[in-house]
Amino acid sequence: GQNIDQPTEMTATEGAIVQINCTYQTSGFNGLFWYQQHAGEAPTFLSYNVLDGLEEKGRFSSFLSRSKGYSYLLLKELQMKDSASYLCAVDPAGGGNKLTFGTGTQLKVEL
Amino acid sequence: DSGVTQTPKHLITATGQRVTLRCSPRSGDLSVYWYQQSLDQGLQFLIQYYNGEERAKGNILERFSAQQFPDLHSELNLSSLELGDSALYFCASSPLAGGTTDTQYFGPGTRLTVL
Repeated sequence: GQNIDQPTEMTATEGAIVQINCTYQTSGFNGLFWYQQHAGEAPTFLSYNVLDGLEEKGRFSSFLSRSKGYSYLLLKELQMKDSASYLCAVDPAGGGNKLTFGTGTQLKVEL
Repeated sequence: DSGVTQTPKHLITATGQRVTLRCSPRSGDLSVYWYQQSLDQGLQFLIQYYNGEERAKGNILERFSAQQFPDLHSELNLSSLELGDSALYFCASSPLAGGTTDTQYFGPGTRLTVL
């Protein structure tokens, strides 16, 4: 089975940096996705980590440690539009592509 | 806009009824996935089809079924609807059957309300 944990809510200030953590326990593992979801809208792809280390993509970076079952999403220069839910999803090993999502971290960016 | 389309956007129906949700994948994508998102459960994987064949199955209820047609669009059929089936239903597509570079792109969703 799979178990994914993320904080439920976080609040940060516009222009600041925020780190959203995700820990997972899984029987198989290919990699880990991060998605952003605004309320009532579709999840949109942010990043995919397969190997240990940091992947940087503009204001967003994602880190993975396979040995520790740990990932984080780092958001820099926060903007009000970054207020959304951030979903961590495990891509399991084996056939198919049945992602298991965490319940998401609701980020609120304040002035 | 991800390129994945879903219809209808909203659906209101009564308990015991049957509905069909439709999804068209991004051009060139062979896999279609269905997810259910309710307030208390988060995003739950239901089923994956790849090039017309069922590829992976999640905790999909027996009252639910899906298929992928030769033109690669997919339909999710929900029958004997219950109040608890009220949720957002998302379709996603990806180019391949799975694997380390096969990113899923989500459609805008269908909001189902069962009264």
